[in-house]
Amino acid sequence: SYELTQPPSVSVSPGQTAMITCSGDALPKKYAYWYQQRSGQAPLLVIYEDTKRPSGIPERFSGSTSGTMATLTISGVQVEDEADYYCYSTDRIGDERVFGGGTKLAVL
Amino acid sequence: QVQLQESGPGLVKPSQTLSLTCTVSGASITSGSYYWTWIRQPAGKGLEWLGHIYTGGTTKFNPSLWSRVTISLHTSNNQVSLKLTSVTAADSAIYYCARADLFADDNAVPNHWGPGTLVTVSS
Repeated sequence: SYELTQPPSVSVSPGQTAMITCSGDALPKKYAYWYQQRSGQAPLLVIYEDTKRPSGIPERFSGSTSGTMATLTISGVQVEDEADYYCYSTDRIGDERVFGGGTKLAVL
Repeated sequence: QVQLQESGPGLVKPSQTLSLTCTVSGASITSGSYYWTWIRQPAGKGLEWLGHIYTGGTTKFNPSLWSRVTISLHTSNNQVSLKLTSVTAADSAIYYCARADLFADDNAVPNHWGPGTLVTVSS
């Protein structure tokens, strides 16, 4: 089965830049999507099609991709950004839909 | 704006069938090019995509669960249901329903989520 790999945790201080990676063999051909999940809440889509921000998502959230790795970057991290972040994509043929294991962002 | 609300028993016995309903308001479950999706999250763990049903009725399931999962549309009540058979403690989780929108490369991406409902499998 297809897998997306994320680091379990990332820690930054307020105002710094956080980078969360997602690795998957199909990412050169398939878009990555990123969700933010605050404690006790449902996930919220913050990046779609690798690099695009839905309306209402702050500009400090951005996405990029290079080869088999997609990256979510949060510039000027704020305390409210502390959450779990998940990438989402499909396998090469678009058949299997998977989430990455999630990355806990701690804002210290 | 579409809103989704999951409901169902919070406690299910092992080997029985878990049945949940997602009530949709603000949109018809048979209109548009949307995929009504179920996702679950065990306590303290990550998200797992279970499957979806298109507004036209076609379905797709997680290969690891496909033999136990059924997703159906109930147009009279504008509801989407999930049935998971032969449950064990490993099926204990928060279950979310979501509406997935079709993005580029034909990926159905969950974009509107319900608040989720907790299901515990225990005797």
